[in-house]
Amino acid sequence: DSGVTQTPKHLITATGQRVTLRCSPRSGDLSVYWYQQSLDQGLQFLIQYYNGEERAKGNILERFSAQQFPDLHSELNLSSLELGDSALYFCASSATQQGGETQYFGPGTRLLVL
Amino acid sequence: EDKVVQSPLSLVVHEGDTVTLNCSYEVTNFRSLLWYKQEKKAPTFLFMLTSSGIEKKSGRLSSILDKKELFSILNITATQTGDSAIYLCAVEAFSRGAQKLVFGQGTRLTINP
Repeated sequence: DSGVTQTPKHLITATGQRVTLRCSPRSGDLSVYWYQQSLDQGLQFLIQYYNGEERAKGNILERFSAQQFPDLHSELNLSSLELGDSALYFCASSATQQGGETQYFGPGTRLLVL
Repeated sequence: EDKVVQSPLSLVVHEGDTVTLNCSYEVTNFRSLLWYKQEKKAPTFLFMLTSSGIEKKSGRLSSILDKKELFSILNITATQTGDSAIYLCAVEAFSRGAQKLVFGQGTRLTINP
């Protein structure tokens, strides 16, 4: 158990819908990262937040957005869902925003878009 | 464009064999290289390497980084069926004041009894 929690565990929805994935980092960690893992793309970095502010952006679509709240939990919002958005979404946390930090992954949310 | 390439993509060996997994990278402002093991759930951290030539070791697993040739290897000796997993290599790069982690596509390792 990494100490990072994610909800829900599984989510099935239809195309065109919007969903929110939630992540609580390890106690004391200020950075939260979101990743998407699909069969054909592997693990892709989406976005990083540090202490409530966006710090880095990866391959995140405009239909996706995220935020980190004052209590440091984070939410990833996926809208206008398409079949290709079906994937495993991981959240990870680390203590700082600096280089060399180990990231601890949550169990993931499996999203299926029908 | 930052890139991390792992090889082989898939490897099947017998229990007791030794395996070597490769990771090569091209990134701007390299900070560190990390190895993860992913079974049927989230990746779990194995090693972080920042200095060239230093071997990190944990039991039967070891890893070394060559910053000049831009690659790393993960070695597993006396493999066991519990080592079956996808092994992910990730490189941390620092760009425009922020850290970014770029993952390779992974090596799927299967250990047959």
